[in-house]
Amino acid sequence: DIQMTQSPASLSASLEEIVTITCQASQDIGNWLAWYQQKPGKSPQLLIYGATSLADGVPSRFSGSRSGTQYSLKISRLQVEDIGIYYCLQAYSAYTFGAGTKLELK
Amino acid sequence: EVQLVESGGGLVQPGRSLKLSCLASGFTFSNYGMNWIRQAPGKGLEWVASISSSSSYIYYADTVKGRFTISRDNAKNTLYLQMTSLRSEDTALYYCARRTMGIGDYFDYWGQGVMVTVSS
Repeated sequence: DIQMTQSPASLSASLEEIVTITCQASQDIGNWLAWYQQKPGKSPQLLIYGATSLADGVPSRFSGSRSGTQYSLKISRLQVEDIGIYYCLQAYSAYTFGAGTKLELK
Repeated sequence: EVQLVESGGGLVQPGRSLKLSCLASGFTFSNYGMNWIRQAPGKGLEWVASISSSSSYIYYADTVKGRFTISRDNAKNTLYLQMTSLRSEDTALYYCARRTMGIGDYFDYWGQGVMVTVSS
């Protein structure tokens, strides 16, 4: 089974700050990687698919990148509405979510 | 507008069964693969099961294989999850989610979730 190691588990950042969350895959998954945002009491929302493609309606301050088996989600200028929990998802073999990163305002 | 509405959750004793439903609207249900994903209280997301548009392909997580059955009725625009031999660790909010089309195998639209509590 493919494991996704997500870090950090929690993150406190200021408004307008750059935020980066990473996921390390236990094996090659190509670009079969997505990022989700879950706000409190809500269902997850797709942000990024194919490791780097922005989903419809997602602000351009969100971006995804890949370096080998490490994947990153960057928020270029943190906004209040970005607070929540972020999950990566590998879709190369079945599906595995990362453990999540709780993003809070400093 | 795409809508997914889950129902059928509740409190059930260990070892018993429960069947969840997900009523879809706002899109051509029969064209899309569908999935169940769960989230234990205060925990992360766990994929449970997937079914292709015509029910030809069905996959399960190892944690539920042999106990859960995913199915669909395209005439009723409804996805199901039959859960048997329930355990305390199956306690979770269960989401149905639509598989993306044309951009890979991800989940784009999610329901609001239905709570399943397994306890004596």
